Amino acid sequence: EAQVTQNPRYLITVTGKKLTVTCSQNMNHEYMSWYRQDPGLGLRQIYYSMNVEVTDKGDVPEGYKVSRKEKRNFPLILESPSPNQTSLYFCASSLGGYSNQPQHFGDGTRLSIL
Amino acid sequence: AQKVTQAQTEISVVEKEDVTLDCVYETRDTTYYLFWYKQPPSGELVFLIRRNSFDEQNEISGRYSWNFQKSTSSFNFTITASQVVDSAVYFCALSEAIFGNEKLTFGTGTRLTIIP
Repeated sequence: EAQVTQNPRYLITVTGKKLTVTCSQNMNHEYMSWYRQDPGLGLRQIYYSMNVEVTDKGDVPEGYKVSRKEKRNFPLILESPSPNQTSLYFCASSLGGYSNQPQHFGDGTRLSIL
Repeated sequence: AQKVTQAQTEISVVEKEDVTLDCVYETRDTTYYLFWYKQPPSGELVFLIRRNSFDEQNEISGRYSWNFQKSTSSFNFTITASQVVDSAVYFCALSEAIFGNEKLTFGTGTRLTIIP
């Protein structure tokens, strides 16, 4: 089954404790992206990757890091999480190649930073 | 800069009524793509439709239909004979043909509640 898998689905942690949210897709997609969803703001892009080893900032990259060492994986790293990063996070993937095909989303990760 | 406005924050209708969700967008590009996504109470995002800026044909898929009008920069979504399973948050989104980044700019969503 074609899917984007995020882990964990839920996490409660404390300020300053490094965490990683994993994202994996099995569709051989070139393009991957992270979004955060906040009430009243919709979804906003954090980082994106056009292909392996090619990543760049989205609209709200502060406090986040990403890497793309393999085509299928695109982890989101919070080196020193703060309460304002409490949010619902989505990973997405699509074919890429400037085709703007529909993005497939993971089921989301709800992070609470205390 | 691109922007998507969904002015209706919440809508409630009785089951079997028709309902239209509005979406207005802003972009300076001539080539762009419009999307609708559904977010049911379980939280995942489900793709509904993609339209490119050169295709203004309306589309119908079962009880769902979409009206794309470039003259008013709108891409409205209508559900006919609504059902309880249609209860969800619906997002309209815009993507420009920018070099490499297929970023989706989302509206703030419309929460649709279908009352049985």
